[in-house]
Amino acid sequence: EPEVTQTPSHQVTQMGQEVILRCVPISNHLYFYWYRQILGQKVEFLVSFYNNEISEKSEIFDDQFSVERPDGSNFTLKIRSTKLEDSAMYFCASSEGWSGGGGYTFGSGTRLTVV
Amino acid sequence: DAKTTQPNSMESNEEEPVHLPCNHSTISGTDYIHWYRQLPSQGPEYVIHGLTSNVNNRMASLAIAEDRKSSTLILHRATLRDAAVYYCMAYGGNQFYFGTGTSLTVIP
Repeated sequence: EPEVTQTPSHQVTQMGQEVILRCVPISNHLYFYWYRQILGQKVEFLVSFYNNEISEKSEIFDDQFSVERPDGSNFTLKIRSTKLEDSAMYFCASSEGWSGGGGYTFGSGTRLTVV
Repeated sequence: DAKTTQPNSMESNEEEPVHLPCNHSTISGTDYIHWYRQLPSQGPEYVIHGLTSNVNNRMASLAIAEDRKSSTLILHRATLRDAAVYYCMAYGGNQFYFGTGTSLTVIP
């Protein structure tokens, strides 16, 4: 069964450093998403991406965050200057179409720890 | 966002059916109802979705009330591997809003 692959599985970074989280969505999917989950809390939407541009973003997704699809397979989330409160699991997801009529496939996540 | 409400937790005995309820009285007529689950230390996993009719797949069944104000996810025979947090969501706007879900405990 096709999978969404995320790397690394765990990243530790110092406060103020830049991090890039990587995702390989399912190959025929056209819509891409990032979510995050702070330990013990809800899964929160960050951003959706389609046709090489952001479709929608949440209040969490401020100027410190950016997304990119640098080639035909990868989808990345960059945090420019990490803060302690950015520590969370970050999940990438993809879907074939807008998910009214279908489902998202999520990756296993990257655990980001900011120290 | 379209709000859903679910019980915080439920228990089931292994090999028995489980009915997980969800209220979504404010969804619009075109909002699909989706269910995902999250096993410990994993990403959310798609379970099933529907609009008006009841739906079945290899994982579960989804029963949607005629007025669409509620739905029920049915696991026909709970296994220990079904222990997870189950999220009921209405597709509102361009993304899913995860609530706190129902934490399902399966008792051997």
